[in-house]
Amino acid sequence: KAGVTQTPRYLIKTRGQQVTLSCSPISGHRSVSWYQQTPGQGLQFLFEYFSETQRNKGNFPGRFSGRQFSNSRSEMNVSTLELGDSALYLCASSLSRTVAYEQYFGPGTRLTVT
Amino acid sequence: DQQVKQNSPSLSVQEGRISILNCDYTNSMFDYFLWYKKYPAEGPTFLISISSIKDKNEDGRFTVFLNKSAKHLSLHIVPSQPGDSAVYFCAARIHQGGSEKLVFGKGTKLTVNP
Repeated sequence: KAGVTQTPRYLIKTRGQQVTLSCSPISGHRSVSWYQQTPGQGLQFLFEYFSETQRNKGNFPGRFSGRQFSNSRSEMNVSTLELGDSALYLCASSLSRTVAYEQYFGPGTRLTVT
Repeated sequence: DQQVKQNSPSLSVQEGRISILNCDYTNSMFDYFLWYKKYPAEGPTFLISISSIKDKNEDGRFTVFLNKSAKHLSLHIVPSQPGDSAVYFCAARIHQGGSEKLVFGKGTKLTVNP
């Protein structure tokens, strides 16, 4: 079974631009969560989608948004990029909404904002 | 407000010895704790978990201990191997808004020297 895939793997953007990241969960998984990883803050929860609905949201500004499609693939969008948005963005999928051990992470998208 | 704290950013041990990674938390509503391991350029992978109703869980070379009164958990790796060199994240689960969320620590980089 293929793992969680994220595209693109690397991205360079300039301040003020917007960016869209994509995540394809493991086949059959309906829950997708997004995390931001930075050296200073570790992994921080962004939001979780289940059955095309956002079920939970972390403490990030409204510039960060996402959506999930009927095939469970998910996209994350960041508008008006700031230098501080430079981070590794990870998505994780799970079969159910239980975010315990059943959560599988993708390799991440490394976003650099210049 | 860092609810899950890994106070040691790095740890270095000799091959064959014990590695002890520590994690402290502040929120008594956490009901499940997990450890993830992350290699460079890969997403975190689940390692071991423990329910808040237990005080110990063992899986091969890995043992997690939970001290609820101290709000402290630790991961023991015995014996340590060079392949264990990675960043280890402690995470805690909390139920919020009808769904679950994982709160991660900032990670501890373990280096096992041959």
